[in-house]
Amino acid sequence: EAGVAQSPRYKIIEKRQSVAFWCNPISGHATLYWYQQILGQGPKLLIQFQNNGVVDDSQLPKDRFSAERLKGVDSTLKIQPAKLEDSAVYLCASSPTGYGMNTEAFFGQGTRLTVV
Amino acid sequence: GESVGLHLPTLSVQEGDNSIINCAYSNSASDYFIWYKQESGKGPQFIIDIRSNMDKRQGQRVTVLLNKTVKHLSLQIAATQPGDSAVYFCAENNKGASYDKVIFGPGTSLSVIP
Repeated sequence: EAGVAQSPRYKIIEKRQSVAFWCNPISGHATLYWYQQILGQGPKLLIQFQNNGVVDDSQLPKDRFSAERLKGVDSTLKIQPAKLEDSAVYLCASSPTGYGMNTEAFFGQGTRLTVV
Repeated sequence: GESVGLHLPTLSVQEGDNSIINCAYSNSASDYFIWYKQESGKGPQFIIDIRSNMDKRQGQRVTVLLNKTVKHLSLQIAATQPGDSAVYFCAENNKGASYDKVIFGPGTSLSVIP
C-alpha cells in the first residue's frame, strides 16, 4: 500500500514569508498528525485530526500556524509569517483510528524547512 | 509535567553485539509505550510497542522491557547490524477521554561499527 506522501521535501524561505506543506495520508486512515521535529530532538505534536475535525492543537502556535483537513483526507499546514525558530522538519503521520496498541502511526518523509 | 527522556544520547556498538537503548518516562498514567526508528532523511518507523500491564515483549531481534516501578523502558537489539544505525525514540501514550496523545523522547543515536 502507498505510504504517507508529503510535499515539498525541502523549502527555504526568508523570515516573515509564508509557506505551506501538503500531506496525503494512507487511504482510509481516519487520524492525521502534524509534527515538528527540530534538529536533534524528538517530534513534537502540533495538531491532530480525527477525520476532518481537530482533536488536539494545544501545541500549535495559532498566531502563525494554521492547518486544515478538507473532506477528512488531505491536509495542509501553513506558517505565516515564518520565524527563524520555525526551521525544522515537519512530519505528517496517519493511523487508522488514532494511537493504540497495534494501530501505530505511519510517518511521511517530512518537509525540511529552513528559514533564513 | 510531561516528559520522556533518554539516558544515552549516543551509542556505538560493534556489529554482531547486542545493543541496549534506555528511556525514562515521567507519567505513571501512560498506558502504553512505543519505540520508533528514524533513519537519516526519513520519518520515524514503528518498531515495537508494549502495554503498561506487560513487562516484556519480543519481536524480531528486538525486545522491549518495561519497569514501571522506576518508570524505565529499554529496547534491546540482538546481533546489531549496520542497518540498525539510526536514531531511536521512545514514546509514551497518554490515553484521553476521546483520543490518545503520544509524546516522544529526545532520541538516542545508534552507530554500528562494522
